[in-house]
Amino acid sequence: AAGVIQSPRHLIKEKRETATLKCYPIPRHDTVYWYQQGPGQDPQFLISFYEKMQSDKGSIPDRFSAQQFSDYHSELNMSSLELGDSALYFCASSLVGRGWTDTQYFGPGTRLTVL
Amino acid sequence: GQQLNQSPQSMFIQEGEDVSMNCTSSSIFNTWLWYKQDPGEGPVLLIALYKAGELTSNGRLTAQFGITRKDSFLNISASIPSDVGIYFCAGVSSNTGKLIFGQGTTLQVKP
Repeated sequence: AAGVIQSPRHLIKEKRETATLKCYPIPRHDTVYWYQQGPGQDPQFLISFYEKMQSDKGSIPDRFSAQQFSDYHSELNMSSLELGDSALYFCASSLVGRGWTDTQYFGPGTRLTVL
Repeated sequence: GQQLNQSPQSMFIQEGEDVSMNCTSSSIFNTWLWYKQDPGEGPVLLIALYKAGELTSNGRLTAQFGITRKDSFLNISASIPSDVGIYFCAGVSSNTGKLIFGQGTTLQVKP
């Protein structure tokens, strides 16, 4: 079965640079969630989109923005990168048409390293 | 904000032993999920619980949704080396679907 696709898998950037992370949800899933996971930490919710509209916002810095496109893929844009942004970034998708409490399936993640 | 307390933080067991870990919350969740994560990889869904009191199995894994909807446990029977990893519980926000994770339980299995 098709899974969540994330690209790139690894990204190395310098401080103050920008980065764009992409997420392609499971086919027919209408909701995308972004999470950030620091070393030894649990994933922390950043932002989510349902049917191309922002549905919830967590602890996402103002330097970050995201959107969901007409084909349901999503992009997380990160500007003025800081050393503390180094983390694993996960995208998850679900089918909200079955209710907000339906299960989420995670992608393999993007490992961002800021030097 | 909502928090999940997961315990134990880590476990080191002998192959063949049974394992139990649990999660408690100060808030009610209508759905509990259990994930396993290997280093550098995305969390993989193990079991989903949708009803209070529900007991669900997936092979050697068994999980229960507490009757108060504020807790859940996961049992792994007859552990094998490939069970090694980090196990996370997660409560699903009924308003927006975002996940609130526990701190994780790191499992090590000695052959």
